[in-house]
Amino acid sequence: QVQLQESGPGLVKPSETLSLTCAVSGYSISSGYYWGWIRQPPGKGLEWIGTIYHSGNTYYNPSLKSRVTISVDTSKNQFSLRLSSVTAADTAVYYCARQPGVAAPVGFDSWGQGTLVTVSS
Amino acid sequence: QSALTQPASVSGSPGQSITISCTGTSSDVGSYNLVSWYQQHPGKAPKLMISEVGKRPSGVSNRFSGSKSGNTASLTISGLQAEDEADYYCCSYAGSSTYLVFGGGTKLTVL
Repeated sequence: QVQLQESGPGLVKPSETLSLTCAVSGYSISSGYYWGWIRQPPGKGLEWIGTIYHSGNTYYNPSLKSRVTISVDTSKNQFSLRLSSVTAADTAVYYCARQPGVAAPVGFDSWGQGTLVTVSS
Repeated sequence: QSALTQPASVSGSPGQSITISCTGTSSDVGSYNLVSWYQQHPGKAPKLMISEVGKRPSGVSNRFSGSKSGNTASLTISGLQAEDEADYYCCSYAGSSTYLVFGGGTKLTVL
């Protein structure tokens, strides 16, 4: 059974870069599938941030594309999110999740528990 | 403003059936059979309930079903139970440029 666990600072200062890592267990990222990041501001809905294919191809939300980088480290079986120039609007619970699929993702079937990141000085 | 439109809230009594709609465009819902639905209880991570419009993952109750007509996808929950009270989100593949879009979410209240 695949498990995902987010980790990273819970507090980031405005204008700095938010960095999170998602450790995957029970499944080898190099075996395939897509791996995504989703966030949820307090009291609001889900927002897709971006997705990386196991081969390294990346796909980003157009509204965040200029600030987002997602990378994968198959040797550590983890993938990471970097979001630059953060503001208070980036305060949210950040989730990592697995997306099965070959030609296209078919849904997020496994999720991490989520980690709250607050942007504040 | 979310790319996919869902009603903010729906309600039903135990045992009844409800349907949540998810309206997109011909660039997302209308073009791909890659709509998924998620259930989220307060303070918890979302859970996949339906993938590829109407496929139920292992372990999901058959009271949950999905369908699509044109640019609108729907999630139907039959035999409502108290435990179904949660927020529900739809999500659709939207092609290689936009890629993925979520709905704004629907709060289901079991009366």
